Amino acid sequence: AQSVAQPEDQVNVAEGNPLTVKCTYSVSGNPYLFWYVQYPNRGLQFLLKYITGDNLVKGSYGFEAEFNKSQTSFHLKKPSALVSDSALYFCAVRVSNSGNTPLVFGKGTRLSVIA
Amino acid sequence: DTGVSQNPRHKITKRGQNVTFRCDPISEHNRLYWYRQTLGQGPEFLTYFQNEAQLEKSRLLSDRFSAERPKGSFSTLEIQRTEQGDSAMYLCAISTGPSYEQYFGPGTRLTVT
Repeated sequence: AQSVAQPEDQVNVAEGNPLTVKCTYSVSGNPYLFWYVQYPNRGLQFLLKYITGDNLVKGSYGFEAEFNKSQTSFHLKKPSALVSDSALYFCAVRVSNSGNTPLVFGKGTRLSVIA
Repeated sequence: DTGVSQNPRHKITKRGQNVTFRCDPISEHNRLYWYRQTLGQGPEFLTYFQNEAQLEKSRLLSDRFSAERPKGSFSTLEIQRTEQGDSAMYLCAISTGPSYEQYFGPGTRLTVT
């Protein structure tokens, strides 16, 4: 079975500092990995994905994530945090050759960027 | 704008009543998903359509839940005899394939009193 762990419920960072939101996954096969962001009273917005190729993927709003197969991790990063980055972040996974299986999401990490 | 609209945005109903939610993709995407999200949790898969065919249903989808996607365009999710445990945000998402990201609508927040 697929699963995603986001070990931190809350991450606090000062504006201008680098941020990291952690994600580890478990799948039986090669993963497709995704990060989404959710602002209050809104649906999830896609940030970036890893399908294949370069382990470092770049996405929207200056975010990037690094796929690490040996550590089964896909941490989200940004070099310089903005107050507007404060939101709920979700990591998700599905198996690449699984046909129709849906995304499996982590519980989410609340990011708070303090001015 | 993700290209997915959901109606209503909020629904308050009394326990035992039936409710129906609608998801309208703006453009044609062959894959449509329904998820449920409760407070403090990530979205949980409910059901999936490829065109008009419902191909997969989660064990979360009890007999009180039914979903349709006539003509492979919009979709409806109906909950019969609602229970307080059904209170959640119901999200609709679309995609064009397994390696492609899913685009989510704003959700319908259901409150069962």
